Amino acid sequence: DGGITQSPKYLFRKEGQNVTLSCEQNLNHDAMYWYRQDPGQGLRLIYYSQIVNDFQKGDIAEGYSVSREKKESFPLTVTSAQKNPTAFYLCASSEGLAGVEQFFGPGTRLTVL
Amino acid sequence: ELKVEQNPLFLSMQEGKNYTIYCNYSTTSDRLYWYRQDPGKSLESLFVLLSNGAVKQEGRLMASLDTKARLSTLHITAAVHDLSATYFCAGRIQGGSEKLVFGKGTKLTVNP
Repeated sequence: DGGITQSPKYLFRKEGQNVTLSCEQNLNHDAMYWYRQDPGQGLRLIYYSQIVNDFQKGDIAEGYSVSREKKESFPLTVTSAQKNPTAFYLCASSEGLAGVEQFFGPGTRLTVL
Repeated sequence: ELKVEQNPLFLSMQEGKNYTIYCNYSTTSDRLYWYRQDPGKSLESLFVLLSNGAVKQEGRLMASLDTKARLSTLHITAAVHDLSATYFCAGRIQGGSEKLVFGKGTKLTVNP
């Protein structure tokens, strides 16, 4: 089955810790994205990557970092510099500039203790 | 900068009734998307509207796009309880980037 997987589903972090959220896709998509969703809000773009070894900041990149070493993987690290990281994180992918749709993974819910 | 506004943000309706959700966007967007989200779940793609006058229908949902008015609508016909969810519209920033800008969502509750 082709799709996007995210792990873990739930993640708890102590203040001051860095944590990494995993996102893998087997759709052979060039572009991948990370969004953050807060309760009662729409999605906000954190980072996106249109090709391997390249990525761009989105609207709320501060306190986050990413890497894109492989086409199928786009991990997101939430650093201790992110002051309010508790949220639902969604990863998405698309075929890139030629793609029409973005497809979303199941999400990771991060809670800071 | 593209801004997307949805209204209403909350909608409670009776089964069997019709209603429309509105999505206004502030600047040129070459694509308009509608997604559905169930509580605690990811986003499910409903419609992608690519051109002025585009209309797409799936079951009890119909989406349309008026690029001149910068308006998309999601019309619900004869609502059923299973349609209860949060619906998001999103515009794509014109110019080749795949960046989407989302509205805040409309939480729809269909009551028996």
